[in-house]
Amino acid sequence: QMQLQESGPGLVKPSQTLSLTCNVSSGSISNGFYYWSWMRQPAGKGLEWIGRIYVRGGTNYNPSLESRVTMSLDMAKNQFSLKLSSVTAADTAIYYCARGSYIIRGVTPLNWFDPWGQGTLVTVSS
Amino acid sequence: DIVMTQSPDSLAVSLGERATINCKSSQSVSYSGDNRNYLAWYQHEPGHPPRLLMTWASTRESGVSDRFSGSGSGTDFTLTINSLQAEDVAVYYCQQYYDSPFTFGQGTKLEIK
Repeated sequence: QMQLQESGPGLVKPSQTLSLTCNVSSGSISNGFYYWSWMRQPAGKGLEWIGRIYVRGGTNYNPSLESRVTMSLDMAKNQFSLKLSSVTAADTAIYYCARGSYIIRGVTPLNWFDPWGQGTLVTVSS
Repeated sequence: DIVMTQSPDSLAVSLGERATINCKSSQSVSYSGDNRNYLAWYQHEPGHPPRLLMTWASTRESGVSDRFSGSGSGTDFTLTINSLQAEDVAVYYCQQYYDSPFTFGQGTKLEIK
């Protein structure tokens, strides 16, 4: 059964770039049947979809974060990554990676998510 | 963005009883072209990653107990858990995938009374 595991620094200074990696095991990210997504959850708040990456079609980001987000794939390592620039305390959250199943309606792929990684807490503080 | 609002925020139910969680979307997440509801439910147990319970508002994932059922259409959806068991203690989320950006409800914390 596929498993995902996030890794990266747990502490990032304000104005710097948050960088996380999601390692995928028991399955290949080059499988074109799925998208690969990141979500986050600040303490006491709900889940927020950050964006997704697809092996054949590039990236889509939440407009609320789009100017600061970059996602990439490393198929040789079977990993995908998230970079979030110019972070502030508001970016402190548990970050999750997840596999996105999809259906296309019109021209838009629409995702639900399973499985998820365990999540990693990233704190933005000096 | 489609705003998802769950109620209640928290819920305490006795073992063996029924728990009902509601999810309301700010616009319809049902598509008339395919007569489907673009809504998923997740269970998030402490110390575990979120787990997908249901897609299309009422289609259980493989391995999910039939004590869990989903219903609704348009803007109003319900997750029902029958015969509550101790392992059902979790936070439950709805998510719309009708349109991007995909959005989640704020979560409903389910506890044992």
